[in-house]
Amino acid sequence: QVQLVQSGAEVKKPGASVKVSCKASGYTFTSYSIHWVRQAPGQRLECMGWINAGNGNTKYSQQIQGRVTITRDTSASTAYMDLSSLRSEDTAVYYCARAGSSYDYFDYWGQGTLVTVSS
Amino acid sequence: DIQMTQSPSSLSASVGDRVTITCRASQNINSYLNWYQQKPGKAPKLLIYAASSLQSAVPSRFSGSGSGTDFTLTISSLQPEDFATYYCQQSFSTPYTFGQGTKLEIK
Repeated sequence: QVQLVQSGAEVKKPGASVKVSCKASGYTFTSYSIHWVRQAPGQRLECMGWINAGNGNTKYSQQIQGRVTITRDTSASTAYMDLSSLRSEDTAVYYCARAGSSYDYFDYWGQGTLVTVSS
Repeated sequence: DIQMTQSPSSLSASVGDRVTITCRASQNINSYLNWYQQKPGKAPKLLIYAASSLQSAVPSRFSGSGSGTDFTLTISSLQPEDFATYYCQQSFSTPYTFGQGTKLEIK
């Protein structure tokens, strides 16, 4: 069965970086894209960017562009989201999600990774 | 970015009730509208995609309709496990954006 398993919770200081992983199984990794979505406490879901796992092309939200980098390792069927220059407003649960149809809906999600930014 | 607005933001209902949630896009998104259910501490779960297509294994009491800018999610007969927060999402143009959510609570 399709599964996306994310790395564990992180606590970081302001200005630091964090890297969250998302390991896929149960499907052909390179046939789908992986999107990263975050949810700050009490806030709506926010799409940060995505990667085409086949060719490695990426696109990022303008709001966070310059601080986020999404990569993938096809040999490990794993996608990564790297967020730099962390600030308190980046405290959130970060999700990876699979998309691949012509309508690009997110049909499978990781369990979420809580990133806490605190001095 | 396309703005998505849901109404109501919260809703109290009873088991067995018929419930409708609406979602409005700030511009035409054709049928690129998806609905998700989220329970506390859990990842969102896809319910409806392409405005009206039921995701596999989702109960048939869930249905979606609409196109262009106005969409609805209907639950025909609420069950205890349906009390959750519901989000609409447009996948017409990136960045894909979500509504603010509708929290469905037990009356």
